[in-house]
Amino acid sequence: AQSVAQPEDQVNVAEGNPLTVKCTYSVSGNPYLFWYVQYPNRGLQFLLKYITGDNLVKGSYGFEAEFNKSQTSFHLKKPSALVSDSALYFCAVRGGSQGNLIFGKGTKLSVKP
Amino acid sequence: DTGVSQDPRHKITKRGQNVTFRCDPISEHNRLYWYRQTLGQGPEFLTYFQNEAQLEKSRLLSDRFSAERPKGSFSTLEIQRTEQGDSAMYLCASSFQGSTGELFFGEGSRLTVL
Repeated sequence: AQSVAQPEDQVNVAEGNPLTVKCTYSVSGNPYLFWYVQYPNRGLQFLLKYITGDNLVKGSYGFEAEFNKSQTSFHLKKPSALVSDSALYFCAVRGGSQGNLIFGKGTKLSVKP
Repeated sequence: DTGVSQDPRHKITKRGQNVTFRCDPISEHNRLYWYRQTLGQGPEFLTYFQNEAQLEKSRLLSDRFSAERPKGSFSTLEIQRTEQGDSAMYLCASSFQGSTGELFFGEGSRLTVL
């Protein structure tokens, strides 16, 4: 069965510093991987995805993610964090041909000024 | 606004009452998904429609839950005889068959069962 794990419940970063939010996956076959962001009492917003091709994927709001097949990881990164990046971040993997996504538990990112 | 819309945004009900949520997907999307999200958890898949056909249901979808998409456009999710454990955010998402996978989510409908 497809699954993702987000090992950190919370990540704290100072504004201007680089940030990393970790995700590991377990899939049979080729992984389709996604990152979403959720602000309080809001729906999920798509950030980026990996389907195939370059291991470094660029997405919205300056975020990028690195796909590492040998480590089965798909970590979300940003070179310089903003206070406004503070939110919940979810990693997800495509569950099957129907297209439903299986989400991790989420990581709360807190960026302090 | 051409995004996914959900109604109502918030619903407070008493245990044992029935509630219904509506989702209007992005108009050209033929796939529609319902998810449930509880505090501190990621969204959990409930059910999926392709056009008007309900093609998959999670084991989370008990007999008290029913979803429809009668004309392949909007969808409704009804919960009968609500229980306190049903309190959650109910998220709707849509996508286009053949896309490379991202789902577009609505703002969610928050249910509180007293």
